[in-house]
Amino acid sequence: AQSVTQLGSHVSVSEGALVLLRCNYSSSVPPYLFWYVQYPNQGLQLLLKYTSAATLVKGINGFEAEFKKSETSFHLTKPSAHMSDAAEYFCAVISPSSGGNKLVFGAGTILRVKS
Amino acid sequence: NAGVTQTPKFRILKIGQSMTLQCAQDMNHNYMYWYRQDPGMGLKLIYYSVGAGITDKGEVPNGYNVSRSTTEDFPLRLELAAPSQTSVYFCATGDVSPLHFGNGTRLTVT
Repeated sequence: AQSVTQLGSHVSVSEGALVLLRCNYSSSVPPYLFWYVQYPNQGLQLLLKYTSAATLVKGINGFEAEFKKSETSFHLTKPSAHMSDAAEYFCAVISPSSGGNKLVFGAGTILRVKS
Repeated sequence: NAGVTQTPKFRILKIGQSMTLQCAQDMNHNYMYWYRQDPGMGLKLIYYSVGAGITDKGEVPNGYNVSRSTTEDFPLRLELAAPSQTSVYFCATGDVSPLHFGNGTRLTVT
């Protein structure tokens, strides 16, 4: 069974600083991995996904994530935080063999950006 | 292009009442999902559908029912509302994995 752990339920950064949101996964087979963002009172938006192609995945809004099999990690980064990045971020994992439809979500990390 | 539309946005139910949460999509996706979101818990899959006439249970299906008579619609039914069903409910669609989410229905059961 797959699972994800997001380290840190809250992360605070200054505007212009590096954003690093951590995600570690557990999967018995090579997984597909996703990052979603949720703004207040809205649904989730897909930021990026890893599906066994390039290990460095670029997403929307300047975010990227690197799949590291040796560390079972898929951390989300952005070089320079913007106030508009303040939101909750979810990492999710799926096993391709499950049919692609049983995504398992982490508990989420709330990102706060200070001016 | 509306994407995924959920109604209602908010609802308060008394214990034992029933209601249907509506979800409609205009993207012609075969896959549709219902999730519930509780603080600090991420999203949990309630039910999903891989096409019209086909539904299956997710991680937390107890107390809910679904139907999928058309590609566009995927309603979620609560038959006997319980306080444990107080949550925010999201419908999502995708070609396989969930890609597009509605804005949610905030349900309170008192």
